[in-house]
Amino acid sequence: QTVVTQEPSLTVSPGETVTLTCASSTGAVTSDYSPSWFQQKPGQAPRALIYSTSNKHSWTPARFSGSLLGGKAALTLSGVQPEDEADYYCLLLYGGLRVFGGGTKLTVL
Amino acid sequence: EVQLVQSGAEVKKPGESLRISCEGSGYSFTNYWIAWVRQMPGKGLEWMGVIYPGDSNIRYNPSFQGQVTISADTSISTAYLQWSSLRASDTAMYYCARKYGDGWGDPWGQGTLVTVSS
Repeated sequence: QTVVTQEPSLTVSPGETVTLTCASSTGAVTSDYSPSWFQQKPGQAPRALIYSTSNKHSWTPARFSGSLLGGKAALTLSGVQPEDEADYYCLLLYGGLRVFGGGTKLTVL
Repeated sequence: EVQLVQSGAEVKKPGESLRISCEGSGYSFTNYWIAWVRQMPGKGLEWMGVIYPGDSNIRYNPSFQGQVTISADTSISTAYLQWSSLRASDTAMYYCARKYGDGWGDPWGQGTLVTVSS
């Protein structure tokens, strides 16, 4: 069974830069996995941030960026804001199947 | 405005059947994939499956194959997620989401909370 792994939790101070990663049990993540990233705040539906590795939706703040880094998909927040405190999920494509990562709880202190 | 509006919260008993819905508006419903996503209490997101309403092409995550049925009625721009016999372990929030271009989640539905308890 395919497993997608994210950091369970990260803590960052406002204004800092943080990178969240997304690894696949099948090996290196490439653009073929079409990585997407989602943000979810408590009591809310998820919100899409990034698709196809690095593409932003029209509503995605400029401080969010997606990339491939060291065989993983990565989401970088440059200049973290207090409102960025949330759970973040990646989504990878495996043929016709998509699999979410377990999520990263980002705390902004 | 493109919207996905889901049906309201449900409380059911084990063994009962249920169908929840996701109505699309503001766009051509038949031309865009819809996904269903489960989130169990306090847990992460799980990809259940997708449907292309235009031709009812359906793909299930193997973990959910045979456990749920995904369908759509294009005449009312609505996608469905259905159970024939609910279990307590089906208690979760269920979201629908549209694929626009290469991106999923444009938009998401607001979620439907399903509670299964005796």
